Amino acid sequence: GNSVTQMEGPVTLSEEAFLTINCTYTATGYPSLFWYVQYPGEGLQLLLKATKADDKGSNKGFEATYRKETTSFHLEKGSVQVSDSAVYFCALRAGSSNTGKLIFGQGTTLQVKP
Amino acid sequence: DVKVTQSSRYLVKRTGEKVFLECVQDMDHENMFWYRQDPGLGLRLIYFSYDVKMKEKGDIPEGYSVSREKKERFSLILESASTNQTSMYLCASSLSGPDQETQYFGPGTRLLVL
Repeated sequence: GNSVTQMEGPVTLSEEAFLTINCTYTATGYPSLFWYVQYPGEGLQLLLKATKADDKGSNKGFEATYRKETTSFHLEKGSVQVSDSAVYFCALRAGSSNTGKLIFGQGTTLQVKP
Repeated sequence: DVKVTQSSRYLVKRTGEKVFLECVQDMDHENMFWYRQDPGLGLRLIYFSYDVKMKEKGDIPEGYSVSREKKERFSLILESASTNQTSMYLCASSLSGPDQETQYFGPGTRLLVL
């Protein structure tokens, strides 16, 4: 079946450090891939997405590239800020889905210290 | 901006009580979803609805039911609350069609069952 696996957290970084959060997936067909972010006390919001192989999604300095050969969609940011502290979720929508149903990873907590 | 609202941010209920969680969206979205969020498990889909009066089971529907009498409102019902239903509950909505994968989330309801 379809599934998403993220690196375990929490991830603790100093401000301006480089961030990578690993995400790998298992899916049949050609899924769309997403990163959602949940700031403290809030619901999730879409951070970026990629709908086909080799696409790069980007937003707010974050990037992720859809790698079909390694079934990965790792999230990166060159210089994190304290305001990036949040929980990050990787997700996929199966290519065959016609209901918008998403499958989420377990979430990775990022804490950025000044 | 899309707005998804949930009736309560925090709820405390007793074992055996019937619990209603309400979700309202204001963007005429066809799809609506209920998830529960637990540490280390990410988001798990309880039920979703792709039209008024239509519903489908998600991955963990046991102990829950839903109602969608109007397009903008999707209710989650715990028929007889149990302590293992203590969790954060998140509602989301999305369009049908090519952009259906972008889900918009409410702020969540943190439910404690004693």
